[in-house]
Amino acid sequence: AQKITQTQPGMFVQEKEAVTLDCTYDTSDPSYGLFWYKQPSSGEMIFLIYQGSYDQQNATEGRYSLNFQKARKSANLVISASQLGDSAMYFCAMREGPASITSGSRLTFGEGTQLTVNP
Amino acid sequence: DAGITQSPRHKVTETGTPVTLRCHQTENHRYMYWYRQDPGHGLRLIHYSYGVKDTDKGEVSDGYSVSRSKTEDFLLTLESATSSQTSVYFCAISEGQGHLLNQPQHFGDGTRLSIL
Repeated sequence: AQKITQTQPGMFVQEKEAVTLDCTYDTSDPSYGLFWYKQPSSGEMIFLIYQGSYDQQNATEGRYSLNFQKARKSANLVISASQLGDSAMYFCAMREGPASITSGSRLTFGEGTQLTVNP
Repeated sequence: DAGITQSPRHKVTETGTPVTLRCHQTENHRYMYWYRQDPGHGLRLIHYSYGVKDTDKGEVSDGYSVSRSKTEDFLLTLESATSSQTSVYFCAISEGQGHLLNQPQHFGDGTRLSIL
């Protein structure tokens, strides 16, 4: 079974508008962390934002925020005021706990959403 | 940017040949990882290391081996490359306390490997 599901293979948004990228996850562990990464066409992976399963508030980092709905097991990324440079592939990833020294920070990734920002 | 260097950046080789990819870090981070990225699969963990000479398997480890003889280097070896191992390979690192849930991984720029 897929642990991370990103149902939108492609999304389009107009410059300066907000966009939501969906992510649902599946875990029975009460301790977990959710990450979003951006991959521009140049190929590098850029960490954007983190949400912990015990965090009381939704995470925010500049124009990025995470709409975390624990009961629904969703962790949607919201990008406000889209810019042309936001055009990229976006990946949702999960780390399940409890973490140990030997388990490190293993991540499970979704298949990604290709976001295109139109001028 | 995290100091992670992958080499080579591009490689074309033939089926049946051995291939070694190198990941070098200058951050002195404890944890290192190898992922492969294929269309429709996102990134999948191959192997990871939690210290010098300490490694473990990931989700897609068959056909791959790794070694870590010093903190800064993590090698991925395909003993006998097959066409199904054509992919983009990413190395990642995380900090000494990376077993904590909130530590992000930082990625190298990737190696594009084609096996003909």
